[in-house]
Amino acid sequence: DAKTTQPPSMDCAEGRAANLPCNHSTISGNEYVYWYRQIHSQGPQYIIHGLKNNETNEMASLIITEDRKSSTLILPHATLRDTAVYYCIVGSNYQLIWGAGTKLIIKP
Amino acid sequence: DTGVSQDPRHKITKRGQNVTFRCDPISEHNRLYWYRQTLGQGPEFLTYFQNEAQLEKSRLLSDRFSAERPKGSFSTLEIQRTEQGDSAMYLCASRKGETQYFGPGTRLLVL
Repeated sequence: DAKTTQPPSMDCAEGRAANLPCNHSTISGNEYVYWYRQIHSQGPQYIIHGLKNNETNEMASLIITEDRKSSTLILPHATLRDTAVYYCIVGSNYQLIWGAGTKLIIKP
Repeated sequence: DTGVSQDPRHKITKRGQNVTFRCDPISEHNRLYWYRQTLGQGPEFLTYFQNEAQLEKSRLLSDRFSAERPKGSFSTLEIQRTEQGDSAMYLCASRKGETQYFGPGTRLLVL
């Protein structure tokens, strides 16, 4: 079973920040939090990952709570091209266990 | 762009036939993964290579499935005696550091 819980779907208005939550209450100390997204019929695309600290890159920001039991992916200015399924995954070393993700729909 | 490539992109076969898929990872990545993905689900881990060594196989990988990475570069995934339940997208990824980079996938349809 996946180690994460995500809402099955979310909507966001174009130009606004999209905040995608993820619960991972059973995360262990050496496990990272990863976010990927998958646009229809394509392979998954890496977005960002973190261990303890908040992270930011050109695509998104990742906010991890102090107890590491949950995190939020932030897309600061969502565009229509950000419509995709977003996967939050926790794991380490070689094996990542994927859930069903959140279907994010960006609306004009 | 020298990302992960997979061939073929689509395959239609009849039940009972054998199929083979190829994955070419990003050249400096020594870790390679195969996943299977069915509609509406996230990818499921199948197997993992570090260089030419197959280090882990999922219980999902029945004895009809075999994967190789003979020279530590490209990899092949073979399915023997295909069944309709094998219809899925087969994804390959290579890894650098903590990041996996995925190919476009091979979509298999078993009739």
